[in-house]
Amino acid sequence: AQSVTQPDIHITVSEGASLELRCNYSYGATPYLFWYVQSPGQGLQLLLKYFSGDTLVQGIKGFEAEFKRSQSSFNLRKPSVHWSDAAEYFCAVGGGGADGLTFGKGTHLIIQP
Amino acid sequence: GAGVSQTPSNKVTEKGKYVELRCDPISGHTALYWYRQSLGQGPEFLIYFQGTGAADDSGLPNDRFFAVRPEGSVSTLKIQRTERGDSAVYLCASSRTSGRYNEQFFGPGTRLTVL
Repeated sequence: AQSVTQPDIHITVSEGASLELRCNYSYGATPYLFWYVQSPGQGLQLLLKYFSGDTLVQGIKGFEAEFKRSQSSFNLRKPSVHWSDAAEYFCAVGGGGADGLTFGKGTHLIIQP
Repeated sequence: GAGVSQTPSNKVTEKGKYVELRCDPISGHTALYWYRQSLGQGPEFLIYFQGTGAADDSGLPNDRFFAVRPEGSVSTLKIQRTERGDSAVYLCASSRTSGRYNEQFFGPGTRLTVL
């Protein structure tokens, strides 16, 4: 069965500092990987996705993620966070096409001034 | 254009009651998904529709949960004999189906509280 692990429940980062959110997945075939962000009262918004090809993918809002097959990881990074990045971040895996997604439990990002 | 809408935004009910949650997908999207997000958890897949038919209902927790999409657009998630453990945010998403992958666009959710 597929699964996603986000080891960090909470992360606190100072504004302007760099950020890395960890994601490990388990999937029996070639995974389709996603990062979503959820702000209070808002729906889930797709930040970026990986299907194949270049293992470093760029997303919206200055985020990027790197797929490492050998480590079964898809970590999210941002070089300099802004206070508006405070939110819940979810990593998800799917099989492509129109499959339902399997989400991790999320990482709550807190930005210190 | 309009995104995915869900009604009501909040629903409070008593244990044992029946509830219906509605999802209005993005116009033209033929795929529709229901997820459930419990407190402190990520969304959990419930069911996926392609057009009017349920293509995958493997995530429905038991037979108290049922969903329909009779005309291939609006969908209703129905929960019978609600239990306190059903309290969660129910998320709906929709996507196109052409191409290898289709981004799922999520609605704001319906927060269900079972007292």
